[in-house]
Amino acid sequence: DAGVTQSPTHLIKTRGQQVTLRCSPISGHKSVSWYQQVLGQGPQFIFQYYEKEERGRGNFPDRFSARQFPNYSSELNVNALLLGDSALYLCASSFRDLDYTFGSGTRLTVV
Amino acid sequence: KQEVTQIPAALSVPEGENLVLNCSFTDSAIYNLQWFRQDPGKGLTSLLLIQSSQREQTSGRLNASLDKSSGRSTLYIAASQPGDSATYLCAGTYNQGGKLIFGQGTELSVKP
Repeated sequence: DAGVTQSPTHLIKTRGQQVTLRCSPISGHKSVSWYQQVLGQGPQFIFQYYEKEERGRGNFPDRFSARQFPNYSSELNVNALLLGDSALYLCASSFRDLDYTFGSGTRLTVV
Repeated sequence: KQEVTQIPAALSVPEGENLVLNCSFTDSAIYNLQWFRQDPGKGLTSLLLIQSSQREQTSGRLNASLDKSSGRSTLYIAASQPGDSATYLCAGTYNQGGKLIFGQGTELSVKP
């Protein structure tokens, strides 16, 4: 059974550009969450979606947006990229709101 | 503000030692607590989940406990091995299905 899959694995963007990150949850998982992990820090919560509805939003600017599709996959969009957006972006899915399973992440570098 | 602190930030031990990693929460009303392992540049691997009605969980050489009254959790690793070298993160939720609030992690190095 496939785990949480994220694409792409690595990405290099220029300041001011826009980026879209993708996540496919484990089959049967209806909850998807996004986290940002800056080097040396613990992950910080960005968004959570459940059954295509936004359930929670972290303390991130409006440049960050997300959505969840009918098949429960999700996209995270970041506009007007800043150098400080460089991080590992992690997606997690959950079944029955118990434990969370994370993907391998997308490493975003903004230059 | 709900924050999580992990002590120590880094730990280096010889192979075979038993060790304890600590995690504390500013708000002790934890619902679920989860311990993760992260290898350099990789995603998170779930190790143990302590659900709201539980106090501890065990898996192989790992044992995690949660004391809600003090807002503290510990991860005990028995007979450490070089393959245990990684960063260990604890994270708590404050309601079912809630967001995970992470500590900064403990970087563990087990020397052969």
